[in-house]
Amino acid sequence: DQQVKQNSPSLSVQEGRISILNCDYTNSMFDYFLWYKKYPAEGPTFLISISSIKDKNEDGRFTVFLNKSAKHLSLHIVPSQPGDSAVYFCAASFMDSNYQLIWGAGTKLIIKP
Amino acid sequence: DAGVIQSPRHEVTEMGQEVTLRCKPISGHNSLFWYRQTMMRGLELLIYFNNNVPIDDSGMPEDRFSAKMPNASFSTLKIQPSEPRDSAVYFCASSVRENEKLFFGSGTQLSVL
Repeated sequence: DQQVKQNSPSLSVQEGRISILNCDYTNSMFDYFLWYKKYPAEGPTFLISISSIKDKNEDGRFTVFLNKSAKHLSLHIVPSQPGDSAVYFCAASFMDSNYQLIWGAGTKLIIKP
Repeated sequence: DAGVIQSPRHEVTEMGQEVTLRCKPISGHNSLFWYRQTMMRGLELLIYFNNNVPIDDSGMPEDRFSAKMPNASFSTLKIQPSEPRDSAVYFCASSVRENEKLFFGSGTQLSVL
């Protein structure tokens, strides 16, 4: 039973355009969400997070949107750059056991020059 | 800071052999995690240590798996005996404290023949 789903295994975007990565979750008790980026042969690196009390968090070119009613979050990258090509993981946790991250399967983002 | 250091980067062994994976967390980080990544199951938390004490080992698949953290700067994950289905990438991660972002090592690619 996948509690965190990233339904697009891959996404291809032109350099300079917006990349939108999507993530759906099933458990309404999740209250903290994170995005990690992973390059080949490296471990995931933290990108951005959002608490359930917010609906948007922005950090430079990266913005995460949270729609609690739809149990959906998205990561927007504007503008997309070649270095953004990586696998992006969505993860969720509960406030009372927030060491336990539930991970999505990842979306491979390819930025075309 | 050198980040989280894992060794070896690659390990190829035969079924039945003992395998030991090593991790040096970032200095000053109090939380340490061992994860396993496979195509079928994605990223799974195996065990979580806080201040060198195992807090949650519910993700350890079987008694063949064991993990130790003898001090704040070193942890091991041991598989004895290893089986082909243990083939995966094993990541170690650390964080300043329990609810902070994770810093991952580069992983150990384990192949059990």
